[in-house]
Order: sequence, then C-alpha cells, then structure tokens
Amino acid sequence: EPEVTQTPSHQVTQMGQEVILRCVPISNHLYFYWYRQILGQKVEFLVSFYNNEISEKSEIFDDQFSVERPDGSNFTLKIRSTKLEDSAMYFCASSQMNSNQPQHFGDGTRLSIL
Amino acid sequence: GENVEQHPSTLSVQEGDSAVIKCTYSDSASNYFPWYKQELGKRPQLIIDIRSNVGEKKDQRIAVTLNKTAKHFSLHITETQPEDSAVYFCAASGAGGGADGLTFGKGTHLIIQP
Repeated sequence: EPEVTQTPSHQVTQMGQEVILRCVPISNHLYFYWYRQILGQKVEFLVSFYNNEISEKSEIFDDQFSVERPDGSNFTLKIRSTKLEDSAMYFCASSQMNSNQPQHFGDGTRLSIL
Repeated sequence: GENVEQHPSTLSVQEGDSAVIKCTYSDSASNYFPWYKQELGKRPQLIIDIRSNVGEKKDQRIAVTLNKTAKHFSLHITETQPEDSAVYFCAASGAGGGADGLTFGKGTHLIIQP
C-alpha cells in the first residue's frame, strides 16, 4: 500500500536556526497538508496545498512558516528562526481529492528545538 | 472556525466489552468526519470515516454514527481486544470546501483491560 514518507524522522536544531522538513506524498494524490502535534496534545492543522499554492492556513501558520513543492514529488515545510515552542511532531498528509476524502498521514518528523 | 469536542478523555473497558467515544462539532457546514487511531509514537491511522449524507457506517467491529441535527458523531467499537488500546481522535472538515484541514478533537485514551 502506498505511503506518505517523511524525512528526517528526528531533527534537533538550535533555537533561531532554520529547519526544513520534507515529505513525499502518495503519488496520485493532489492535496497536501502539514499538521503539528505537541507532545500529549491533539493534532493541529497548519496548512493545505493544492495546485502549487496554499489553499488554507491556520492561525499557527504565521510568517515564520512556508511551504513549497520544489519538484514533482517533494513537499517541504520550512520554519525560519525556530523557537522553543516549535518543538513538536510534524505530520505531512495527502489526499487524492479535496478535504472530503481520506487524508493519509506520514510517520512524522520529531522536531526538537534546543 | 470549526471546534470539535471529544469525550471522554480516558476510557477503560474490559476486553470483550464495547467502547463508545463521542464528539460534537460547531460548524454545521462541516460534512466529513474521520476517526483516527494513534498508537504511541506512531502516525494517526484512519480507521473509519463518514460523510454528512450518511447516518451510520460499519466496518467489522467498528461503527460510526452521525447526527447532523445535533452536530454530534460517535465511534463504537464492539468486542474490544488488547490491540484496540490506543488514542482515538475524531475530526471534522469540509466547511470551507476545497483543501480544508481537519479539525481534531483532543483524543480519547482507550485502555482495554485483560
């Protein structure tokens, strides 16, 4: 069964540094998403992406964050000038069609800001 | 925006008994309601979903019911087994159309007592 893959599995970064999290969505999926889960808490929506542009973003997704699809397979989340409170598990998800279709999650990247 | 409330936060049942988890949502325009199972340190895994044009859906030991008028939906697990132990999240989306992100509940930690 095709899966969403994410790299790295764990990223440790100094506060103030930039970090890029990478995702390869399922190949025939058209909608891509990033979510965040702080340890022990619920999953929170960050941003959705379709047709090479942001479709929707939450209040969490401020100017510190950006997303990009640099080629035909990768989907990246960049966090500029990381803060301690950015420490969380970041999940990428993809769906074949729009939001009323199942979203399949990757294994996540655990981001630790020191 | 959408708000999803989930209860209970922890549910302990004897193996073989049934478990019921309940969620309410605030935006009457939401029309897609998935349930995810998350084991410790793993990705959220979609276990069942329901759309607003359906009142009930069943898949083996798992069923979901939706009451659009009351804006609540429930997950029912029958004949629980030890491997059902996990955190279960309900979610809602679709109010904005397009690539809506999922709004998750806070999760229910289901414990199956042997």
